[in-house]
Order: sequence, then structure tokens, then C-alpha cells
Amino acid sequence: GEDVEQSLFLSVREGDSSVINCTYTDSSSTYLYWYKQEPGAGLQLLTYIFSNMDMKQDQRLTVLLNKKDKHLSLRIADTQTGDSAIYFCAEIRTGGYNKLIFGAGTRLAVHP
Amino acid sequence: DAGVIQSPRHEVTEMGQEVTLRCKPISGHNSLFWYRQTMMRGLELLIYFNNNVPIDDSGMPEDRFSAKMPNASFSTLKIQPSEPRDSAVYFCASSLGTGGYNSPLHFGNGTRLTVT
Repeated sequence: GEDVEQSLFLSVREGDSSVINCTYTDSSSTYLYWYKQEPGAGLQLLTYIFSNMDMKQDQRLTVLLNKKDKHLSLRIADTQTGDSAIYFCAEIRTGGYNKLIFGAGTRLAVHP
Repeated sequence: DAGVIQSPRHEVTEMGQEVTLRCKPISGHNSLFWYRQTMMRGLELLIYFNNNVPIDDSGMPEDRFSAKMPNASFSTLKIQPSEPRDSAVYFCASSLGTGGYNSPLHFGNGTRLTVT
């Protein structure tokens, strides 16, 4: 299909790890991104990964990329209540201009 | 850096009325995007400007929607006439490029539009 796909909801207990999954479509995407949207705000770039990497770690965040399956995941270690937000996966799709295509977003709810 | 500034923050209007949403991008950014966010359709790109010129308006729903960028520091999205199905949060974003890792999109806080 043409869509970047994500599950819509994820609920985790505070202190546990969260894993948000995404399936993208363009195998030629050079970068893949995770954006975070907090309540009442716009999206902010959280992290990104080059397509020639399998993994990227940034403090509590780990991004895993499986190019064969076009699967991207974001792991948040020691999830905190402040991590409650909507997380968007995005790919750069080439053709005309480099167009950023967002998934529908995964709403992460962190409960005590 | 004040970030991307959108106004108004909230807009409630009656069906048939004209609605104008405003955006001031980050100074120096040459790309500007208008997105619409709804529960049903997620985040949709409506239009993309580069150096004040519309490059991709394929996401504009229909002729009732129009967008302008008269200069590098201001853009408007107009809906005329508005309909209840236009109710959504409208985001403006700007960047130095089209969203690469070294030119991420910077989003405003959005305008929540309610059409009754």
C-alpha cells in the first residue's frame, strides 16, 4: 500500500518499556523519522535513523530498522508519564521533491 | 526564536462562513507546509510552498480551500464557504528544506477549527 502504517494506541505502566511499531512503504527512503506530539501542541522531531543503519540509540530511545521488512520501531526505556503523547513515524518519499509522509500516529498512554 | 506562530488558536464558526487561518514561519526558513489533523484521517499535507511558490497543492481538498504566501514571513489558509466536515486542527510547519534530518519540520501549535 501507499500508507505509512502504525498501531493507533499503546498503554504501558510507568517504568516499563514502550515499543511503537511502524511499517513504511518506500524502500528508497534515505531517512526515517519519529516525531512526537504533546497535547495541544504541534509535532516535534524526536529522532531519526539513516537507512544504512540497523539501530540508533539516544538516551532512553532506541530506534530499530529492518529494511527487508520495511519495519521501524521506537523503544522508550523506563517510560515516564511525561512520555504520554502521540508518536508519528515518517518517511521521506522521493519523486518531484522529497516529501515527508507521516503515519497516523500512535497514542501512548502511561499509567502509574 | 519564537517558533512558528499560528493564529487564531481556536476558531468556531457557522457553516457557510469564510475562515482565514494565519501562519508566520520561522525567519530564514524557505519551506512552508499546511497540514490538517483529524481522528479519521490523521495528518494530511494540504499544500507545500518553497520560496513563497506553491509546489504541491495536491492535498487541498477542493476549491473551497485556498492558500497564499505573499511573502516569506506570512501565509494564509482560507476556507470559503466552510462546512462542518472541515472541523479539524490545522497546522503550519516550516523548514529549511523539505524535512530531511538536518532540516526537520518545525510545527506551530495549530488552529482548532470547529464549524457548526
